Amino acid sequence: QSVLTQPPSASGTPGQRVLISCSGSSSNLGSNTVNWYQQFPGTAPKLLIYSNNQRPSGVPDRFSGSKSGTSASLAISGLQSEDEADYYCVAWDDSLNGYVFGTGTKVTVL
Amino acid sequence: EVQLVESGGDLVQPGGSLRLSCAASGFTLSDFGMNWVRQAPGRGLEWVSYIPSSSGSTYYADSVKGRFTVSRDNAKNSLYLQMDSLRAEDTAVYYCARDDQGKHCITLDCQTFYYYSHMDVWGKGTSVTVSS
Repeated sequence: QSVLTQPPSASGTPGQRVLISCSGSSSNLGSNTVNWYQQFPGTAPKLLIYSNNQRPSGVPDRFSGSKSGTSASLAISGLQSEDEADYYCVAWDDSLNGYVFGTGTKVTVL
Repeated sequence: EVQLVESGGDLVQPGGSLRLSCAASGFTLSDFGMNWVRQAPGRGLEWVSYIPSSSGSTYYADSVKGRFTVSRDNAKNSLYLQMDSLRAEDTAVYYCARDDQGKHCITLDCQTFYYYSHMDVWGKGTSVTVSS
């Protein structure tokens, strides 16, 4: 089951800034760091942001993350056509003793 | 190159069993906890199970608890998922993912820190279909 809530879709034109929210609770986002994954159809998820706001090597700096309390967000600045994908937030949940994923957000570049 | 390769996915009847494998290369499996994550057709990602680096306690999603068993053989650089009493709703692509966790010091004296955990390396997945 998805315990983290995301908007089902987000869109923007090339160059715009898109913001994706992720809402959780005290046992997950309120207690642990949040990570973000990017997934293209038919492929495995790719780590985009870890520990709230850290980018793995190779991830463009137009992707940024933040967290405050039980909410987190992923920002894509300077949106590009290749950013069209599904995005998931995820965090460890201390009550469930497991990772919980967000419901996923499909980003469309208009 | 750090790599994870899943295998063992198949078509199986409801109530049947299947064992998935995940072969690790390019890193020392015994240094990391490991996860299984699945994705049903057209659906989002769902965490399934976690096993620490040295086995011991294992963790499962409520949806598979009592039916799935995760295990590992560090000597063979392999992770496994034994799936019993399979149901139609278990139909999905199953991914294994490496777990990176630790303590990050914000100040030099580490008086301020946070714990982190994330799945940093993923395999390409193996498909499981449960149907009669």
